Amino acid sequence: DTGVSQDPRHKITKRGQNVTFRCDPISEHNRLYWYRQTLGQGPEFLTYFQNEAQLEKSRLLSDRFSAERPKGSFSTLEIQRTEQGDSAMYLCASRARDRGVGTEAFFGQGTRLTVV
Amino acid sequence: AQSVTQLDSQVPVFEEAPVELRCNYSSSVSVYLFWYVQYPNQGLQLLLKYLSGSTLVKGINGFEAEFNKSQTSFHLRKPSVHISDTAEYFCAVSDQGFGNEKLTFGTGTRLTIIP
Repeated sequence: DTGVSQDPRHKITKRGQNVTFRCDPISEHNRLYWYRQTLGQGPEFLTYFQNEAQLEKSRLLSDRFSAERPKGSFSTLEIQRTEQGDSAMYLCASRARDRGVGTEAFFGQGTRLTVV
Repeated sequence: AQSVTQLDSQVPVFEEAPVELRCNYSSSVSVYLFWYVQYPNQGLQLLLKYLSGSTLVKGINGFEAEFNKSQTSFHLRKPSVHISDTAEYFCAVSDQGFGNEKLTFGTGTRLTIIP
């Protein structure tokens, strides 16, 4: 197992274009999270999946953002009609099946999005 | 809702000197507490966590932290730092409920080790 994998690592796009990011969690981790980290800030929660069900979305997740986890394994995050304010690092994290609370969340290396 | 305050955005420390990175939190419910480290162009790695029990927790790379409930603090310490400790450090909390355990992060402290 190689940990949480995110693709691409970097993405430069023109304003108004759509982008899609992929996250492959650690095998058999049923919980998956997306966070956004802007320059000089800590990561902010965007959305959470338990298996294929999206159970919570932050108010940060505008209508232009959509996330899926169709088979309860990998997840995608799509941003439509990108804006310069979307420029950030998008981090994915996964957690093991329920083994009690407080289990560690493992983070991927992130996808850095730059909107020009 | 929870919030995390890391008052020091940057901390320069001489190599082999001790360091303390401060973290205070606010929450209306009981929380779990975490410290993560982020090296340049990398994701976050867990240093240590407090769930319950002893208020002094030890983590990886020689770091430790002490939970102080009355002061709502969870400061991170290391008795002697190395060049390799240069990184961004984030304090985070999650609630103790049976919800999604999402993390609420502070704004981070950049630790710079001076040779």
